[in-house]
Amino acid sequence: SAVISQKPSRDICQRGTSLTIQCQVDSQVTMMFWYRQQPGQSLTLIATANQGSEATYESGFVIDKFPISRPNLTFSTLTVSNMSPEDSSIYLCSTNAGSEQYFGPGTRLTVT
Amino acid sequence: GQQVMQIPQYQHVQEGEDFTTYCNSSTTLSNIQWYKQRPGGHPVFLIQLVKSGEVKKQKRLTFQFGEAKKNSSLHITATQTTDVGTYFCAGSFNFNKFYFGSGTKLNVKP
Repeated sequence: SAVISQKPSRDICQRGTSLTIQCQVDSQVTMMFWYRQQPGQSLTLIATANQGSEATYESGFVIDKFPISRPNLTFSTLTVSNMSPEDSSIYLCSTNAGSEQYFGPGTRLTVT
Repeated sequence: GQQVMQIPQYQHVQEGEDFTTYCNSSTTLSNIQWYKQRPGGHPVFLIQLVKSGEVKKQKRLTFQFGEAKKNSSLHITATQTTDVGTYFCAGSFNFNKFYFGSGTKLNVKP
């Protein structure tokens, strides 16, 4: 299994600013994933982060807006840059352990 | 982009009734996972299906993966109020990245 923690758990930010979300896993993992979930909606995959290589972004997401770091096998960050109210959402990181996928508790971001 | 479709969007049942949610993809999936998310919580992994035609059971929950690996279903027998939540399927095309269906929100009336 994998236990994932995220910081911050929530934040309220002003438009135009940036927020960095941290994700910590209690074991070394190869792949980490970042998702976004807007209220009442499904999860949308933002990017896949492998240690030692550039993150791979899904259609509609770009590195300039959502830069990702993956400095080691237990940690990753997602930055939401130049925020607008449309970025208000819950951001979740996840990873695979065996055949199961585990999610962090999420970061609830509100942009005003 | 890759899409996994899921129906219905909502289901309201009386406690004791059965419930089924369906997922399908236009492209063959490598594997599919099912999750349950309670209000205010994060998705919790339920199961993974990999083989064509696979059927797995967890107590009152039955999961199926279609022969063509393009569709899947989750069936709950005799629902209980503890089954309330949103059920998501998540399909993969390469065993790595998963794309979530839109989810089915289940409400169970006691």
